[in-house]
Amino acid sequence: GAVVSQHPSRVICKSGTSVKIECRSLDFQATTMFWYRQFPKQSLMLMATSNEGSKATYEQGVEKDKFLINHASLTLSTLTVTSAHPEDSSFYICSAPGGADTQYFGPGTRLTVL
Amino acid sequence: QKEVEQNSGPLSVPEGAIASLNCTYSDRVSQSFFWYRQYSGKSPELIMSIYSNGDKEDGRFTAQLNKASQYVSLLIRDSQPSDSATYLCAVNANAGGTSYGKLTFGQGTILTVHP
Repeated sequence: GAVVSQHPSRVICKSGTSVKIECRSLDFQATTMFWYRQFPKQSLMLMATSNEGSKATYEQGVEKDKFLINHASLTLSTLTVTSAHPEDSSFYICSAPGGADTQYFGPGTRLTVL
Repeated sequence: QKEVEQNSGPLSVPEGAIASLNCTYSDRVSQSFFWYRQYSGKSPELIMSIYSNGDKEDGRFTAQLNKASQYVSLLIRDSQPSDSATYLCAVNANAGGTSYGKLTFGQGTILTVHP
């Protein structure tokens, strides 16, 4: 089956620094990818839709200047958390549609901001 | 009102029993419905998808959809300790179009299957 990878799987950073998370579709092309965030004991919340060749679309309440998304190619989307703060600590998960309503999820990135 | 709401948990069942998980959704135009299983610290994995009213069976899992009642459920027969996880109901509001693949998740139900 199709595989989506994320890198890094875990990152710890200091408050005020920026962190980049990569999401790659390994054996298929994805013109669209989705970024979710999951706080402990909560469900996945869609943050934004990453679109290859155009700007990302953000869900209501998500700061586009804080969460920068770049869909550099048909197999790579990146999420950069700028000026990270402890409240940004979360589990970030990307996904890519695989056709027929199938979603392929990445393994997730655990971000801890000290 | 939450868009996708699941029955409150946690749910605990003995090994071999049937676990019943329920989900309601508010958007009547929703077309596609999914059940995901998520183990702690891992990303969700798809268990079942259902698009039409009625039942859909896959091994020990049966998904049931009732669009008139805006209700979708998941039954797990012969529950095993390895089924212990958080189960997430997800809805895709539009099949095709700009929101293709965009999922709205319920809050999840924690299932524990005890030996």
